[in-house]
Amino acid sequence: NAGVMQNPRHLVRRRGQEARLRCSPMKGHSHVYWYRQLPEEGLKFMVYLQKENIIDESGMPKERFSAEFPKEGPSILRIQQVVRGDSAAYFCASSPPSTSNYGYTFGSGTRLTVV
Amino acid sequence: KQEVTQIPAALSVPEGENLVLNCSFTDSAIYNLQWFRQDPGKGLTSLLLIQSSQREQTSGRLNASLDKSSGRSTLYIAASQPGDSATYLCAVRQSQNFVFGPGTRLSVLP
Repeated sequence: NAGVMQNPRHLVRRRGQEARLRCSPMKGHSHVYWYRQLPEEGLKFMVYLQKENIIDESGMPKERFSAEFPKEGPSILRIQQVVRGDSAAYFCASSPPSTSNYGYTFGSGTRLTVV
Repeated sequence: KQEVTQIPAALSVPEGENLVLNCSFTDSAIYNLQWFRQDPGKGLTSLLLIQSSQREQTSGRLNASLDKSSGRSTLYIAASQPGDSATYLCAVRQSQNFVFGPGTRLSVLP
């Protein structure tokens, strides 16, 4: 049973380019969460999605960031027109339905470097 | 708004010592609390999950306790080893997502 899969592991983008980060949840998990970890800082919640629905995006910057979790395929975190301040580790976690009693399973993260 | 703090921020101990990491949270209305380990440049590994109705959980040399009413959890590591060196993160679940503490950076010296 594969864990949460994130790709790519490392991503380098020039300022102004777009970054696409992918997350495939564990089998049987239908809830996906994205977190960002800035250098020397803790993990901050960004967005919570279920299949085809954004449930909570209160932690997502209002501009340039978007997320989706289509019926088929992985969840995508998209960052348009990246800036140096977007350089961070982006982690995805998943959990099964009826989530309140469950913990998270995290992926290995995508480390985005903006040059 | 839930806030999670962890003390100490960093800890360095000789191999073999027993140690305690502390986690505090401001709102006791939580579903559960999870302890994670993060190695440098790596992802998060779940260590223990404690439900709000539980007082403690154990896994090998690790024991986590939860006192929900006082907003505290401790992670006890017995007979520490150099391989335990990592950052330990505490996270509480209140609604749809977890709120993380800043972590305790542990170094176990051989």
